[in-house]
Amino acid sequence: DAKTTQPNSMESNEEEPVHLPCNHSTISGTDYIHWYRQLPSQGPEYVIHGLTSNVNNRMASLAIAEDRKSSTLILHRATLRDAAVYYCILRGWGDMRFGAGTRLTVKP
Amino acid sequence: DSGVTQTPKHLITATGQRVTLRCSPRSGDLSVYWYQQSLDQGLQFLIQYYNGEERAKGNILERFSAQQFPDLHSELNLSSLELGDSALYFCASSVEGQDPNYGYTFGSGTRLTVV
Repeated sequence: DAKTTQPNSMESNEEEPVHLPCNHSTISGTDYIHWYRQLPSQGPEYVIHGLTSNVNNRMASLAIAEDRKSSTLILHRATLRDAAVYYCILRGWGDMRFGAGTRLTVKP
Repeated sequence: DSGVTQTPKHLITATGQRVTLRCSPRSGDLSVYWYQQSLDQGLQFLIQYYNGEERAKGNILERFSAQQFPDLHSELNLSSLELGDSALYFCASSVEGQDPNYGYTFGSGTRLTVV
């Protein structure tokens, strides 16, 4: 599986936008970029995914670089409930493997 | 409620024992995945079933086994338990097994403590 690189941790202020980066320089043409998050004491939760174009949903936006070697998950207005570990995953044909993710702390 | 049901939520057992964890996938999903999450290892993929058949294997120990039944629920059997098997065990389901254009829905997990 292609590998992703994420910062171990990030901090944000409440009600401000958050940009969570992910590098994936070895991505293949058929890999989708998936983002999941895991709130404390809960199972991972799907956030968003995309292939080439930027994607928006009610939870977040996904900005994908033109060369697809990096992507950014954007939370438009962070709330305290967004404090979680965010995982960026490259998914090809097969199962999904999780890395260490980025622990996001949101300060009031 | 994600639609994926895992039972029991908590389990405490002694070393050497055997336990069974159960997962009911979201309605309409054919694929079930099992993951183990311990403090030092993160989320580790164990095994996948699709419509009753084993589809992929990850870092699953020989002491562990799983199956998916005709009604699509799945069970993960852990035997000869060791202290190091203490972890959160998550089940996820997906409508499709391999297509990367689909996401997973996770259950809330079973916390296993081996004493």
